[in-house]
Amino acid sequence: QKEVEQNSGPLSVPEGAIASLNCTYSDRGSQSFFWYRQYSGKSPELIMFIYSNGDKEDGRFTAQLNKASQYVSLLIRDSQPSDSATYLCAVIRDNFNKFYFGSGTKLNVKP
Amino acid sequence: KAGVTQTPRYLIKTRGQQVTLSCSPISGHRSVSWYQQTPGQGLQFLFEYFSETQRNKGNFPGRFSGRQFSNSRSEMNVSTLELGDSALYLCASSSQVGDEQFFGPGTRLTVL
Repeated sequence: QKEVEQNSGPLSVPEGAIASLNCTYSDRGSQSFFWYRQYSGKSPELIMFIYSNGDKEDGRFTAQLNKASQYVSLLIRDSQPSDSATYLCAVIRDNFNKFYFGSGTKLNVKP
Repeated sequence: KAGVTQTPRYLIKTRGQQVTLSCSPISGHRSVSWYQQTPGQGLQFLFEYFSETQRNKGNFPGRFSGRQFSNSRSEMNVSTLELGDSALYLCASSSQVGDEQFFGPGTRLTVL
């Protein structure tokens, strides 16, 4: 079982819609959760991080964490074609302080 | 504040050669991590250094090694290159181990 699982996609949404990206993790002891965006041919860039159960909002992005169900999600409101990228979920297990990355979900926002 | 820098950006080598990649973290960051990214395997963790000490290590053969200097700059070395080592090698820095990581632009290594 992988530490972090993501649906590889592609996830296609029309411009202006809400894109919902999901991630599950295997270790209940995980404490820190991150979302990165990676454009084709570029390196990952940090979008958001979340540590506590519930929602965290930053502009058009909302991260949601549910530790009981061991999943973390990223919602992108009013999706734009420029949001088309691969979104990577990352988790830190406190015992090891090591990042575990999912394989990423490819998002296509169609004009 | 300047971001993470990596040199060189592109590299072409032949099988059996060795290669050294360099990473300069964000000023003030003391932790440097290295990742290999390939289309088939995604981002795979190589190792992490903090204050010149290797703190974590991924599941890569001993041909992959690294080090960190007192100024937090880091190098990774791959010896006896194989075709399968062709990948994008990414360096990420963080203030402390376990903090959010910021990635450099990567070094694209092609092994012929």
